[in-house]
Amino acid sequence: EAAVTQSPRNKVAVTGGKVTLSCNQTNNHNNMYWYRQDTGHGLRLIHYSYGAGSTEKGDIPDGYKASRPSQENFSLILELATPSQTSVYFCASGAGTGYQDTQYFGPGTRLLVL
Amino acid sequence: GDSVTQTEGLVTLTEGLPVMLNCTYQTIYSNPFLFWYVHYLNESPRLLLKSSTDNKRTEHQGFHATLHKSSSSFHLQKSSAQLSDSALYYCALSEAGANTGKLTFGHGTILRVHP
Repeated sequence: EAAVTQSPRNKVAVTGGKVTLSCNQTNNHNNMYWYRQDTGHGLRLIHYSYGAGSTEKGDIPDGYKASRPSQENFSLILELATPSQTSVYFCASGAGTGYQDTQYFGPGTRLLVL
Repeated sequence: GDSVTQTEGLVTLTEGLPVMLNCTYQTIYSNPFLFWYVHYLNESPRLLLKSSTDNKRTEHQGFHATLHKSSSSFHLQKSSAQLSDSALYYCALSEAGANTGKLTFGHGTILRVHP
């Protein structure tokens, strides 16, 4: 069974502060993804990565940066957090073998920006 | 670009009645791959079923869906709803042309099954 973990699970941040969300996968998957989940919008892709050292912009990258220092780890960085970034964030991994890939999701991080 | 439409935001059913969650998609590619993911409360979203074969029924855990390219649809069905089916269901489309593994998700449908 694929294993994706996220930390922290809950985070309260102040407007203008820096927030780092971490994701770790033990599946040796090439691809990793960061989504946010909002009512009425579903899951929206923020950034993704094809492997260590690579990051790509997703559909809603503004206000977010990503870092993939290793095969296992993928971080999402909010340099200057805003209340509009209050959401639930999910990390996922996929083998990277093609467009039939299944994505395996982590448990989510609930972020509240005050 | 690709898009996925789930017309119902919330579906409320009585236990034992049939389930049908709608999903239609738009893509310029002729060989799309469609997915249904399910998100139970306090769990991680996970794959329910997937298909790229036209007019072939795909089944898993009592649910089934058939990709119909003629109508660009991939509706999720179950013959008899159970209380444990209550969850958030996402239909998703894979970016076939670029072969990146990226998914475009619909907005999701909450299914609530009551006794």
